[in-house]
Amino acid sequence: DAGVIQSPRHEVTEMGQEVTLRCKPISGHDYLFWYRQTMMRGLELLIYFNNNVPIDDSGMPEDRFSAKMPNASFSTLKIQPSEPRDSAVYFCASSFGWATEAFFGQGTRLTVV
Amino acid sequence: AQSVSQHNHHVILSEAASLELGCNYSYGGTVNLFWYVQYPGQHLQLLLKYFSGDPLVKGIKGFEAEFIKSKFSFNLRKPSVQWSDTAEYFCAVKEAGTASKLTFGTGTRLQVTL
Repeated sequence: DAGVIQSPRHEVTEMGQEVTLRCKPISGHDYLFWYRQTMMRGLELLIYFNNNVPIDDSGMPEDRFSAKMPNASFSTLKIQPSEPRDSAVYFCASSFGWATEAFFGQGTRLTVV
Repeated sequence: AQSVSQHNHHVILSEAASLELGCNYSYGGTVNLFWYVQYPGQHLQLLLKYFSGDPLVKGIKGFEAEFIKSKFSFNLRKPSVQWSDTAEYFCAVKEAGTASKLTFGTGTRLQVTL
């Protein structure tokens, strides 16, 4: 398996634009997590899904952020409109069940100017 | 809610020195514990994990960690570090037996000098 695949790897966008980050979890994994990493706040869980259903979105910073998982092999994290303070590395991770570790993707480095 | 404290934010060691990174967690129930490593510009990779059994856990690249329940600690150790161990190290905890989220510590940046 190729691991968790995220795209794009880098995204530079202007303030106010919509940004969509994509994630393909490892095949067969039933949990998918979105994390954000910044220097100030470290790694924060934004939202996670189980069997494509959002379970906990308490980490989503505000209504500008939304996440979907239309099927077991694809998830998106959307920011609309984007702001400079959204600049961070966004990681997607997946796991099989609760008894195993999470595998992380390479991350998307988002810069909002 | 769980929380994780990593006391050392930045550690600088010479090659061949021994390493110990502290990790303490706050949670009253049974936990699963993890150490992840993030090499510069790369994603997080699992170093080792503790679910149950022997509290001394051996991971990849010569790392080990010891779970001391009475101290709520899960310190990471390596007897002799290498330059290639330069990275950021994250301790993480989750409630055992559930699909609850991983809570990460703020990370420790390890710099190994030649």
